[in-house]
Amino acid sequence: QKEVEQNSGPLSVPEGAIASLNCTYSDRGSQSFFWYRQYSGKSPELIMSIYSNGDKEDGRFTAQLNKASQYVSLLIRDSQPSDSATYLCAASNSGGYQKVTFGTGTKLQVIP
Amino acid sequence: DTGVSQNPRHKITKRGQNVTFRCDPISEHNRLYWYRQTLGQGPEFLTYFQNEAQLEKSRLLSDRFSAERPKGSFSTLEIQRTEQGDSAMYLCATIVGGSTYEQYFGPGTRLTVT
Repeated sequence: QKEVEQNSGPLSVPEGAIASLNCTYSDRGSQSFFWYRQYSGKSPELIMSIYSNGDKEDGRFTAQLNKASQYVSLLIRDSQPSDSATYLCAASNSGGYQKVTFGTGTKLQVIP
Repeated sequence: DTGVSQNPRHKITKRGQNVTFRCDPISEHNRLYWYRQTLGQGPEFLTYFQNEAQLEKSRLLSDRFSAERPKGSFSTLEIQRTEQGDSAMYLCATIVGGSTYEQYFGPGTRLTVT
């Protein structure tokens, strides 16, 4: 079982719709969670971090965390073609060197 | 701009050759990480430096791999006797200061071993 699991997709949504990306993790010691966006051939770009249960909103992005269910999600409102990318979910333990474990990513396609 | 640069951006080498990559964070980035990413996978942790001390190494980092961070500034990752399986994107990431867990990546070095 992978430590961080994501559906590889592709997830296709029409322009202007809400894209919902999901992630589960297996290590209950994980305390910090991140969403990265990665365009083809480029390095990952941090778009959201979340540390507490509940929702965190930043512009068109909302991250949701449920530690009891070991579940993290990312909602993208008013999806744009420029949002088409692979979205990586990542989890980090709380101590030491903050090792970050990444999922394999979900490819999002926003259809104009 | 994350303030992290990596060189070279692309490297093509023949199997058996040695290669070295460099990561340059800005001076206050005291925590530095190396990752490897292959096609269709997420980044995999290789090693971690706090200032000049290498504090953690993944079992992925075989004896052919070595990393250094002299004086806690730039870092290098060397692969000796490259194999085709080493073909990947090598990513450097840093955390700024001590109050956040957010890692920011450099642009990466794409290695192709022929």
